[in-house]
Amino acid sequence: NAGVTQTPKFQVLKTGQSMTLQCAQDMNHNSMYWYRQDPGMGLRLIYYSASEGTTDKGEVPNGYNVSRLNKREFSLRLESAAPSQTSVYFCACYSTGSYEQYFGPGTRLTVT
Amino acid sequence: AQSVTQLDSHVSVSEGTPVLLRCNYSSSYSPSLFWYVQHPNKGLQLLLKYTSAATLVKGINGFEAEFKKSETSFHLTKPSAHMSDAAEYFCVVRGVHLIFGKGTKLSVKP
Repeated sequence: NAGVTQTPKFQVLKTGQSMTLQCAQDMNHNSMYWYRQDPGMGLRLIYYSASEGTTDKGEVPNGYNVSRLNKREFSLRLESAAPSQTSVYFCACYSTGSYEQYFGPGTRLTVT
Repeated sequence: AQSVTQLDSHVSVSEGTPVLLRCNYSSSYSPSLFWYVQHPNKGLQLLLKYTSAATLVKGINGFEAEFKKSETSFHLTKPSAHMSDAAEYFCVVRGVHLIFGKGTKLSVKP
């Protein structure tokens, strides 16, 4: 089992460009999450999806959109990238049985 | 509302000496608490969790944490640091979602 996978691992964008970060899990969990990690800030929740077909805003949703394509896949889209979106992005899925979140390896995004 | 405060942003220890990473929590009800570890350029991995069973929780790689309700603390300890313990550690409380502390970077000197 791969667990949680994310693509790409690294990306450089120019201000105003768009891109989609992909996330997939093979753990059969309903809940999936997108976080951003910035130095000294911990992880902040961008969007989450409690189940296939539902998405909700987290703490810092502005400038992002998400799609829960199916149970396995949860993508994050930046429509018009800004330098403030330079960050490391993590996708995770959540087990309601064990209360554990399982994280992907992250995408390091730089917006110039 | 739930929150966690990690009291040190950076802790430095020598290999073989004890590790103490401090975390205080705030919760309006009996909390579920976690410690996650992040090695450089990696994702986060669960070290241990407290979910209202035993107050002393043992995790992976020799780490443990004690839930102290009277002190609203959930400090992470390890008797003897290893070079491979150098990483960033996050204290987390479960609210509607997981709420992360800002992290403590652990450095281990040879």
